[in-house]
Amino acid sequence: AQKVTQAQTEISVVEKEDVTLDCVYETRDTTYYLFWYKQPPSGELVFLIRRNSFDEQNEISGRYSWNFQKSTSSFNFTITASQVVDSAVYFCALSGRIYNTDKLIFGTGTRLQVFP
Amino acid sequence: ETGVTQTPRHLVMGMTNKKSLKCEQHLGHNAMYWYKQSAKKPLELMFVYNFKEQTENNSVPSRFSPECPNSSHLFLHLHTLQPEDSALYLCASSQEASGSYNEQFFGPGTRLTVL
Repeated sequence: AQKVTQAQTEISVVEKEDVTLDCVYETRDTTYYLFWYKQPPSGELVFLIRRNSFDEQNEISGRYSWNFQKSTSSFNFTITASQVVDSAVYFCALSGRIYNTDKLIFGTGTRLQVFP
Repeated sequence: ETGVTQTPRHLVMGMTNKKSLKCEQHLGHNAMYWYKQSAKKPLELMFVYNFKEQTENNSVPSRFSPECPNSSHLFLHLHTLQPEDSALYLCASSQEASGSYNEQFFGPGTRLTVL
């Protein structure tokens, strides 16, 4: 079965703290893609990153960094020096083929609140 | 306009009403999707259209009826809904529906309340 687990339902931090959002996935596919999306209060999901299963290099983009570890089936997301504008719900997703259709399987999301 | 747009942003309807949600993408994509987002649940994929052909109906009740007249427009026709259908309905598009590397781009959603 393909599944994404985001065990942290809600996280609250104070501005400038670092915060890590966890994502654990399950899949039997050898080739797959992992994604992170941000959903601000306005509602639309904003694409942040895509990582394929063959590329385990960590990625950094400004204050955002991602740690992909195949050995633990995890794809964690760290925000350094958090800001109030980072407050949103963050979704981890896994691409998978189900009944011959490629789909995104989403986790339940982690709500991040950054207080000034 | 750019990206993926959805109208209306908010909709309140009675159980006997008929209404439609509209989605338009300006990204030149060939695949479009409807998702349902309820509180404390993962996003639920409802329908997938690839090159205007419906390729996925994820066991959605018939009171939801999708329509894709072209690759840029997607509708969700609603009739005789139930209160439990109240949710945020998100539209997304991607280059194609096959090819699991294709990221999906989302619209802002329609917040639907069924009374």
